[in-house]
Amino acid sequence: KQEVTQIPAALSVPEGENLVLNCSFTDSAIYNLQWFRQDPGKGLTSLLLIQSSQREQTSGRLNASLDKSSGRSTLYIAASQPGDSATYLCAVRAGSYQLTFGKGTKLSVIP
Amino acid sequence: SAVISQKPSRDICQRGTSLTIQCQVDSQVTMMFWYRQQPGQSLTLIATANQGSEATYESGFVIDKFPISRPNLTFSTLTVSNMSPEDSSIYLCSVQTGAGRGSPLHFGNGTRLTVT
Repeated sequence: KQEVTQIPAALSVPEGENLVLNCSFTDSAIYNLQWFRQDPGKGLTSLLLIQSSQREQTSGRLNASLDKSSGRSTLYIAASQPGDSATYLCAVRAGSYQLTFGKGTKLSVIP
Repeated sequence: SAVISQKPSRDICQRGTSLTIQCQVDSQVTMMFWYRQQPGQSLTLIATANQGSEATYESGFVIDKFPISRPNLTFSTLTVSNMSPEDSSIYLCSVQTGAGRGSPLHFGNGTRLTVT
């Protein structure tokens, strides 16, 4: 059974810092990995999708990497802003249409 | 990506009652799913909503408790039946617009349900 772990559970950084969020998964036979952002009490916004054949994807200040063989992904956020404060969720798709989610990393960017 | 409208955005309900959540998409989509996010937990798939046929439920979820309809390629409903406080969660509709497992999933804004 696929399990997804996100470390740390919470992170607080001063504005302007670069930061890295980590995601690990137990079954490397995945189709893709998707990073989401969730604001309090809200739905999910898709940030980046990495296919199993890809190593990384970039969108603006965000860069996601994937090392499928080791079961790891990172989300790099450059020059963090208070508006980046949210919970970031990692999810993998393997073997079915279902996404398996981690519990998320709650990010606080302090002005 | 598709625009997903979910209604209601939140509700407070009494135990023993039922609530129907609607999910409307602005374009035809191949796959629609319903997820639950309990307080402090990650998202869990309830079922895949199949157009014109019965939904496919995940382990631990049953049709009598969570009946789902999908009459066409743009609309689905999830009913939470005979509610108890343990049903207090965020319920999210998710869609896949492209074909195949390589396509991303997109989510609505969710329905925050509180059962008293």
